[in-house]
Amino acid sequence: GIQVEQSPPDLILQEGANSTLRCNFSDSVNNLQWFHQNPWGQLINLFYIPSGTKQNGRLSATTVATERYSLLYISSSQTTDSGVYFCAVDKLIFGTGTRLQVFP
Amino acid sequence: EAQVTQNPRYLITVTGKKLTVTCSQNMNHEYMSWYRQDPGLGLRQIYYSMNVEVTDKGDVPEGYKVSRKEKRNFPLILESPSPNQTSLYFCASGSLGFNGELFFGEGSRLTVL
Repeated sequence: GIQVEQSPPDLILQEGANSTLRCNFSDSVNNLQWFHQNPWGQLINLFYIPSGTKQNGRLSATTVATERYSLLYISSSQTTDSGVYFCAVDKLIFGTGTRLQVFP
Repeated sequence: EAQVTQNPRYLITVTGKKLTVTCSQNMNHEYMSWYRQDPGLGLRQIYYSMNVEVTDKGDVPEGYKVSRKEKRNFPLILESPSPNQTSLYFCASGSLGFNGELFFGEGSRLTVL
């Protein structure tokens, strides 16, 4: 089956810093989504992005399907960005996530 | 408001006592699925349904049952819960099956003693 790997596994930032999270997948996919799991456990849709680039406020994502990776950019990070970021592909095979902690 | 609603959100029960976690969506989605999330193992799919009366096993179906009698509802049934089913459960729905955007409920934290 498809393998989904995310990096880095952990990320600690000071408020205002920028970051890039990466998702690699082992085969071609029809569906790729990014989620944020907040400290209360809720999974929040960030992007549905099987290919191309999208932006939503301080967040943007790019998927290069031919090279089997996707990137999530967080600019001017805030403490509310803390949590775990997952990418998931096809019938939602999830990566193991990147745990982000943003300190004031 | 478009949403996926799970109940209960929190439950502590004992081994062997049957329980049902309900999931309802108001977006007229054909596709619904259940996941469990465990530390170190990430989210894994339990069952999914492509439409009414159509269900299929995911990666970890053992110990669970589902039904899809109506489009909006997809309950998860634990006939005889065991401690290894202690987990955080998520229901999801989407309009295009595997190829469309999925929306998740808020999660149900289940503890089996």
